[in-house]
Formats: sequence, C-alpha cells, structure tokens
Amino acid sequence: AQSVTQLDSHVSVSEGTPVLLRCNYSSSYSPSLFWYVQHPNKGLQLLLKYTSAATLVKGINGFEAEFKKSETSFHLTKPSAHMSDAAEYFCVVSDTGRRALTFGSGTRLQVQP
Amino acid sequence: NAGVTQTPKFQVLKTGQSMTLQCAQDMNHEYMSWYRQDPGMGLRLIHYSVGAGITDQGEVPNGYNVSRSTTEDFPLRLLSAAPSQTSVYFCASRAEQGVYTGELFFGEGSRLTVL
Repeated sequence: AQSVTQLDSHVSVSEGTPVLLRCNYSSSYSPSLFWYVQHPNKGLQLLLKYTSAATLVKGINGFEAEFKKSETSFHLTKPSAHMSDAAEYFCVVSDTGRRALTFGSGTRLQVQP
Repeated sequence: NAGVTQTPKFQVLKTGQSMTLQCAQDMNHEYMSWYRQDPGMGLRLIHYSVGAGITDQGEVPNGYNVSRSTTEDFPLRLLSAAPSQTSVYFCASRAEQGVYTGELFFGEGSRLTVL
C-alpha cells in the first residue's frame, strides 16, 4: 500500500527567507512523487515530479525537491519565499502499477511581508 | 485553452435531493477522475474512467454515480444528497499514456453544501 505524510499542516515564513515543506512517503514499489500547489479557490497545479530519473527535481517558480530513498522523503524547498507563494501544497505518491494517486493532507504556506 | 471545465461552481442542496456535477475537458485525455477535498484530508478519489464506457470506483464511491459516454465528458451524480457530502469536488484528467508519470489537470472545483 502507498501512503504519504506531510509533516506540517501549516508553515509560516517571512518574504525572502527559505521555504521547507516536508513529505514522507510509503510505497511498495518504485514510486512516482509529485508536488501540487493550490491557490485560494483554484484547482491544483503541478509544481514538479520525480519519476526515477534525477533525484533532485526542479519545478516551476524556483521550487525544487530531492528524492531520498533511504529516508523515504521528498521535501519541497525554495531558497527565497515570495508573497505569491502563499498557497496550499500537496505531496502526492503513485506506485508503479497503480492508476490511483494518494494525496497528503496538505501544508498551508503563509508568507509574511 | 479551456482545459478542464466544471459546472456549477457553487451549489446548495437539501438532504435527499439529487444533482449532477458536470466536467468537460478539451485535451482528448483518456483518463478522467473525480476527487473530493475536505479540510485536513487532502483529496480522495471518488470514481475514475480510463475511456468512454469504462468507469471504476475509487476510495470513497458510496453515494455517487458516474458514466462516461464520450471522451470529453465525465459527470458525477449525487443520487440522494446527504450532509456528509458537503465538500469541494474536483474533476481532473490526464493522458492515459502518462498514467504513472503524467500531470493531472484539474478544474477549478465545485463547492457543494448539503443542508
């Protein structure tokens, strides 16, 4: 079975400081991992994805994530937060051989001026 | 580009009423799905379809019905609404060839309240 745990339900940072959103996963097979972002009253948009190529994945808007198999983690980072980054972020896992995605419960990122 | 279009955006129902949430996509995607989003629970899969005439249940299918008569459309039916179905519903699609690695494209959501 696959599962994903987002370790923080809410993260608050100041504009210009680094962002770290933490995600641990459980998967029986080689997983594909994704981060999606949801701005208020909008649908979800793909930020980045890991699909067994390079372990450091770069996404849109300066975000990146590193796949660490030994730690079963896929944390999302950004060097410098911008006000427009305020949103909810979802870590998602998909096992090879399954069509269903499993979503984490989400982390709400607040960016203070 | 329209992408994935959901209607209505907002709906209020009384317990026991029925209604249909509409979803249409113009990307010729084989795979379409419905999720519900509840606070602190992420998104949970209700039903999905891998092509016209093919549907299957997801994690939380009870109380919902779907059909897929065309590639473009994937309506979600609530047969007898209950307060537990108060939620935000998202339709999402992707190309079936990218089933494990492909990007899901989401609609903007339909907020349903059942009184």
